[in-house]
Amino acid sequence: DGGITQSPKYLFRKEGQNVTLSCEQNLNHDAMYWYRQDPGQGLRLIYYSQIVNDFQKGDIAEGYSVSREKKESFPLTVTSAQKNPTAFYLCASSIGRVGNIQYFGAGTRLSVL
Amino acid sequence: GQQLNQSPQSMFIQEGEDVSMNCTSSSIFNTWLWYKQDPGEGPVLLIALYKAGELTSNGRLTAQFGITRKDSFLNISASIPSDVGIYFCAGQLYDMRFGAGTRLTVKP
Repeated sequence: DGGITQSPKYLFRKEGQNVTLSCEQNLNHDAMYWYRQDPGQGLRLIYYSQIVNDFQKGDIAEGYSVSREKKESFPLTVTSAQKNPTAFYLCASSIGRVGNIQYFGAGTRLSVL
Repeated sequence: GQQLNQSPQSMFIQEGEDVSMNCTSSSIFNTWLWYKQDPGEGPVLLIALYKAGELTSNGRLTAQFGITRKDSFLNISASIPSDVGIYFCAGQLYDMRFGAGTRLTVKP
Protein backbone atom coordinates (compact mmCIF):
# COMPACT_ATOMS: atom_id res chain seq x y z
CA ASP A 1 0.00 0.00 0.00
CA GLY A 2 1.29 3.45 -0.90
CA GLY A 3 1.37 6.01 1.81
CA ILE A 4 3.21 8.04 4.41
CA THR A 5 4.37 6.31 7.58
CA GLN A 6 5.22 8.23 10.71
CA SER A 7 6.81 6.65 13.74
CA PRO A 8 6.57 6.40 16.62
CA LYS A 9 2.90 7.23 17.27
CA TYR A 10 3.74 8.50 20.77
CA LEU A 11 7.06 9.87 21.99
CA PHE A 12 8.25 11.23 25.31
CA ARG A 13 11.14 13.63 25.72
CA LYS A 14 13.18 14.29 28.83
CA GLU A 15 14.58 17.71 29.66
CA GLY A 16 17.64 18.51 27.55
CA GLN A 17 17.14 15.56 25.24
CA ASN A 18 17.03 15.51 21.43
CA VAL A 19 14.43 13.23 19.87
CA THR A 20 13.92 12.23 16.24
CA LEU A 21 10.59 11.64 14.53
CA SER A 22 10.57 9.40 11.49
CA CYS A 23 8.68 10.02 8.22
CA GLU A 24 8.85 7.62 5.27
CA GLN A 25 6.83 7.74 2.03
CA ASN A 26 6.56 5.27 -0.83
CA LEU A 27 4.50 7.52 -3.09
CA ASN A 28 7.55 8.68 -5.10
CA HIS A 29 6.71 12.25 -4.11
CA ASP A 30 9.40 14.89 -4.52
CA ALA A 31 8.40 17.34 -1.78
CA MET A 32 8.06 16.57 1.92
CA TYR A 33 6.97 18.73 4.84
CA TRP A 34 6.82 18.82 8.64
CA TYR A 35 4.02 20.61 10.48
CA ARG A 36 3.31 21.25 14.13
CA GLN A 37 -0.29 21.21 15.38
CA ASP A 38 -1.35 22.72 18.70
CA PRO A 39 -4.92 22.62 20.04
CA GLY A 40 -7.15 25.23 18.43
CA GLN A 41 -4.51 26.28 15.92
CA GLY A 42 -3.95 25.52 12.28
CA LEU A 43 -0.97 23.63 10.94
CA ARG A 44 2.28 25.53 11.22
CA LEU A 45 5.10 24.69 8.83
CA ILE A 46 8.42 23.73 10.42
CA TYR A 47 10.57 22.65 7.45
CA TYR A 48 10.07 21.50 3.90
CA SER A 49 12.19 19.85 1.23
CA GLN A 50 11.68 19.82 -2.53
CA ILE A 51 14.60 17.55 -3.46
CA VAL A 52 17.15 15.30 -1.85
CA ASN A 53 19.88 17.08 0.12
CA ASP A 54 17.97 20.35 0.11
CA PHE A 55 15.50 21.77 2.64
CA GLN A 56 14.11 25.13 3.68
CA LYS A 57 12.92 26.63 6.96
CA GLY A 58 9.23 27.18 7.43
CA ASP A 59 7.48 29.57 9.80
CA ILE A 60 8.62 27.97 13.09
CA ALA A 61 11.98 26.25 12.41
CA GLU A 62 13.77 27.35 15.60
CA GLY A 63 14.62 24.38 17.83
CA TYR A 64 14.14 21.84 15.03
CA SER A 65 16.43 20.25 12.44
CA VAL A 66 15.86 17.96 9.44
CA SER A 67 17.77 15.98 6.84
CA ARG A 68 16.82 14.64 3.39
CA GLU A 69 19.41 12.03 2.43
CA LYS A 70 16.89 9.87 0.58
CA LYS A 71 13.80 10.79 -1.45
CA GLU A 72 11.66 8.51 0.71
CA SER A 73 12.74 9.80 4.11
CA PHE A 74 12.52 13.15 5.91
CA PRO A 75 13.28 12.77 9.66
CA LEU A 76 12.66 15.64 12.07
CA THR A 77 14.80 16.18 15.17
CA VAL A 78 13.32 18.15 18.04
CA THR A 79 16.34 19.58 19.82
CA SER A 80 16.77 20.64 23.43
CA ALA A 81 16.60 24.24 22.17
CA GLN A 82 12.86 23.79 21.52
CA LYS A 83 11.49 24.80 24.92
CA ASN A 84 7.85 23.94 24.26
CA PRO A 85 7.93 20.75 22.19
CA THR A 86 4.65 19.19 23.35
CA ALA A 87 2.47 19.00 20.22
CA PHE A 88 1.14 16.76 17.47
CA TYR A 89 3.61 16.54 14.57
CA LEU A 90 2.45 15.83 11.04
CA CYS A 91 4.53 14.85 8.03
CA ALA A 92 3.20 15.38 4.50
CA SER A 93 4.35 14.90 0.93
CA SER A 94 3.34 16.16 -2.50
CA ILE A 95 4.06 15.46 -6.15
CA GLY A 96 6.43 17.88 -7.79
CA ARG A 97 6.99 21.30 -6.38
CA VAL A 98 5.96 22.77 -3.06
CA GLY A 99 2.38 24.00 -3.24
CA ASN A 100 0.80 20.93 -4.84
CA ILE A 101 -1.80 18.90 -2.96
CA GLN A 102 -0.30 17.49 0.22
CA TYR A 103 -1.02 14.06 1.67
CA PHE A 104 -0.47 13.46 5.36
CA GLY A 105 0.82 10.75 7.65
CA ALA A 106 -1.01 9.70 10.83
CA GLY A 107 1.10 11.93 13.07
CA THR A 108 3.34 11.62 16.13
CA ARG A 109 2.32 12.99 19.52
CA LEU A 110 5.31 14.30 21.45
CA SER A 111 5.10 14.95 25.17
CA VAL A 112 7.63 16.18 27.71
CA LEU A 113 8.33 14.10 30.83
CA GLY B 1 3.09 33.35 7.49
CA GLN B 2 -0.49 34.26 6.84
CA GLN B 3 -3.12 31.82 8.00
CA LEU B 4 -6.64 31.58 6.70
CA ASN B 5 -9.72 32.72 8.66
CA GLN B 6 -11.93 29.69 9.14
CA SER B 7 -15.35 29.80 10.82
CA PRO B 8 -17.02 28.71 12.88
CA GLN B 9 -14.40 27.38 15.30
CA SER B 10 -16.77 24.68 16.52
CA MET B 11 -20.25 23.36 15.84
CA PHE B 12 -22.57 21.14 17.86
CA ILE B 13 -25.38 19.74 15.74
CA GLN B 14 -28.01 17.03 15.80
CA GLU B 15 -27.70 14.03 13.53
CA GLY B 16 -29.49 14.70 10.24
CA GLU B 17 -28.84 18.45 10.22
CA ASP B 18 -26.92 20.23 7.47
CA VAL B 19 -23.59 21.93 8.22
CA SER B 20 -21.89 24.91 6.62
CA MET B 21 -18.39 26.27 7.24
CA ASN B 22 -16.20 28.73 5.36
CA CYS B 23 -12.71 30.08 4.89
CA THR B 24 -11.64 33.58 3.92
CA SER B 25 -8.34 35.22 3.11
CA SER B 26 -7.04 38.66 2.24
CA SER B 27 -4.99 37.05 -0.56
CA ILE B 28 -6.08 35.14 -3.64
CA PHE B 29 -5.41 31.45 -4.15
CA ASN B 30 -5.21 29.18 -7.19
CA THR B 31 -6.43 26.09 -5.34
CA TRP B 32 -8.70 25.52 -2.35
CA LEU B 33 -8.66 22.23 -0.48
CA TRP B 34 -10.79 20.77 2.30
CA TYR B 35 -9.42 18.13 4.69
CA LYS B 36 -10.95 16.16 7.55
CA GLN B 37 -8.96 15.08 10.60
CA ASP B 38 -10.16 12.36 12.95
CA PRO B 39 -8.87 12.47 16.56
CA GLY B 40 -5.21 11.41 16.78
CA GLU B 41 -4.88 10.97 13.00
CA GLY B 42 -3.57 12.98 10.07
CA PRO B 43 -5.81 15.09 7.80
CA VAL B 44 -7.42 13.31 4.86
CA LEU B 45 -8.24 15.17 1.65
CA LEU B 46 -11.99 15.51 1.00
CA ILE B 47 -12.31 17.91 -1.92
CA ALA B 48 -9.96 19.91 -4.17
CA LEU B 49 -11.11 23.02 -6.09
CA TYR B 50 -9.09 24.50 -8.96
CA LYS B 51 -11.16 27.26 -10.58
CA ALA B 52 -12.99 30.35 -9.31
CA GLY B 53 -16.71 29.61 -9.08
CA GLU B 54 -16.19 25.85 -9.17
CA LEU B 55 -18.74 23.80 -7.23
CA THR B 56 -17.73 20.22 -6.44
CA SER B 57 -19.49 17.41 -4.60
CA ASN B 58 -18.20 14.28 -2.90
CA GLY B 59 -21.15 12.30 -1.57
CA ARG B 60 -22.89 14.43 1.06
CA LEU B 61 -20.13 17.05 0.88
CA THR B 62 -20.25 20.08 -1.40
CA ALA B 63 -17.55 22.74 -1.66
CA GLN B 64 -17.22 25.93 -3.67
CA PHE B 65 -14.28 28.06 -4.79
CA GLY B 66 -15.32 31.70 -4.30
CA ILE B 67 -15.56 34.02 -7.30
CA THR B 68 -13.08 36.46 -5.76
CA ARG B 69 -10.60 33.58 -5.22
CA LYS B 70 -10.34 34.71 -1.59
CA ASP B 71 -12.86 32.36 -0.03
CA SER B 72 -14.33 28.88 -0.05
CA PHE B 73 -17.12 27.06 1.76
CA LEU B 74 -17.92 23.47 2.64
CA ASN B 75 -21.42 22.08 3.20
CA ILE B 76 -22.25 18.70 4.71
CA SER B 77 -25.80 17.52 4.21
CA ALA B 78 -27.73 15.15 6.49
CA SER B 79 -24.91 14.77 9.03
CA ILE B 80 -24.18 11.39 10.62
CA PRO B 81 -22.13 10.52 13.74
CA SER B 82 -19.02 9.58 11.72
CA ASP B 83 -18.83 13.17 10.41
CA VAL B 84 -17.34 14.09 13.79
CA GLY B 85 -13.85 15.55 13.49
CA ILE B 86 -11.94 18.69 12.58
CA TYR B 87 -12.37 20.13 9.10
CA PHE B 88 -9.51 22.21 7.68
CA CYS B 89 -9.44 24.46 4.67
CA ALA B 90 -6.21 25.08 2.78
CA GLY B 91 -5.38 27.61 0.10
CA GLN B 92 -2.54 27.32 -2.36
CA LEU B 93 -0.77 29.93 -4.45
CA TYR B 94 3.00 29.50 -4.19
CA ASP B 95 2.77 27.50 -0.97
CA MET B 96 -0.03 26.01 1.12
CA ARG B 97 -1.76 27.86 3.98
CA PHE B 98 -4.20 26.29 6.43
CA GLY B 99 -7.17 27.47 8.42
CA ALA B 100 -7.35 26.76 12.18
CA GLY B 101 -10.09 24.19 11.66
CA THR B 102 -13.79 23.74 12.48
CA ARG B 103 -14.45 21.13 15.17
CA LEU B 104 -17.72 19.32 14.41
CA THR B 105 -19.67 17.37 17.02
CA VAL B 106 -22.73 15.39 15.95
CA LYS B 107 -25.25 14.31 18.57
CA PRO B 108 -27.17 11.11 17.73
